[in-house]
Amino acid sequence: AQKITQTQPGMFVQEKEAVTLDCTYDTSDPSYGLFWYKQPSSGEMIFLIYQGSYDQQNATEGRYSLNFQKARKSANLVISASQLGDSAMYFCAMREASRDSGSARQLTFGSGTQLTVLP
Amino acid sequence: KAGVTQTPRYLIKTRGQQVTLSCSPISGHRSVSWYQQTPGQGLQFLFEYFSETQRNKGNFPGRFSGRQFSNSRSEMNVSTLELGDSALYLCASSRGQIGSNQPQHFGDGTRLSIL
Repeated sequence: AQKITQTQPGMFVQEKEAVTLDCTYDTSDPSYGLFWYKQPSSGEMIFLIYQGSYDQQNATEGRYSLNFQKARKSANLVISASQLGDSAMYFCAMREASRDSGSARQLTFGSGTQLTVLP
Repeated sequence: KAGVTQTPRYLIKTRGQQVTLSCSPISGHRSVSWYQQTPGQGLQFLFEYFSETQRNKGNFPGRFSGRQFSNSRSEMNVSTLELGDSALYLCASSRGQIGSNQPQHFGDGTRLSIL
């Protein structure tokens, strides 16, 4: 079963508008971390935001916020006031921190969402 | 603060050859992980090193190997290259062992093309 699911292969947003990128995950571990990364066409992976499974509040980092709904197992990324430079591939990833997870301690990535910001 | 440095950025090899990729983590980071990214398979975990020991390994054949040095720099080696090994190879470092929830910071990657 897919551990991380990103159902939107591509998204378009008008400059200065907000956009939500969806991410759902699957784990039975009580302790895990959720990450969002941005990958421009140049290839580098840029860390954006982190949410821990025990965090009470949704994470925010500048124009990025994470809409964490634990019961639904979703961790959607919200980008406010989109800029042309936000055009990139966005990956949701999870790391299960439990020592009982065996080989599950590495980052598992979703398939990504290609975001295009229109002028 | 310098980021994760991967060398070389681009590499062209032929089938059957072997290749070594290098990764220098962010200063103070002791955990280094390697990932393979292809259009078909996406991002797949190769292995992770912490304090010169391989702590975790993905589902790749034995042709893929790695090591970490005492200064936390890491190398990845692929022997008997196949066409399907063409990919972007990404290295990531983090401060602690990968079991913790600290973010991994990635390098720019090495784009390997097999002819």
